[in-house]
Amino acid sequence: GAVVSQHPSWVICKSGTSVKIECRSLDFQATTMFWYRQFPKQSLMLMATSNEGSKATYEQGVEKDKFLINHASLTLSTLTVTSAHPEDSSFYICSASRDHFTFGSGTRLTVV
Amino acid sequence: RKEVEQDPGPFNVPEGATVAFNCTYSNSASQSFFWYRQDCRKEPKLLMSVYSSGNEDGRFTAQLNRASQYISLLIRDSKLSDSATYLCVVNTGRRALTFGSGTRLQVQP
Repeated sequence: GAVVSQHPSWVICKSGTSVKIECRSLDFQATTMFWYRQFPKQSLMLMATSNEGSKATYEQGVEKDKFLINHASLTLSTLTVTSAHPEDSSFYICSASRDHFTFGSGTRLTVV
Repeated sequence: RKEVEQDPGPFNVPEGATVAFNCTYSNSASQSFFWYRQDCRKEPKLLMSVYSSGNEDGRFTAQLNRASQYISLLIRDSKLSDSATYLCVVNTGRRALTFGSGTRLQVQP
């Protein structure tokens, strides 16, 4: 079945630094990938839609200059959290679809 | 109003019990419907799709009522391993999924 790999699974960083999260589709090509964020005891919220070869589409309220998305190939999308603050601490999950939506294993980001 | 609403629970049930979860969605143009399971600190995993005709997978039965914009999940003969958060998920045709906040189930021995 479709496999989506996400890396790293967890990261701790200092305030003001940037963190890059990678999402790869291992056995299929994904022209579109989705980035979600989940705060404790809350739902997954769509942040942006990553489009291969073009600009990402961001949801209302998500700062595109803070959450940089690059989808340079059919199997890789990256999310970079720039100038991270403690309130950016969250669980970030990517997703892609072949027969059905498959999720990466998520990245738990803690900003200290 | 949230696009997808669920009772957050938690539902605490003994092993062997039957438990039902409900979900409502607000967008009448929604096209496809799912139940996902999420374990603590893990990614969601597809449990089953939901169809108007109703569908069953072992101990799990899902039902969709388009007129009422209502989705249900029934779990029979609950196992300890069923303890998780169950997410009601809707595809409104935007290509991305819209998630409910989840219903937490704790099956107790």
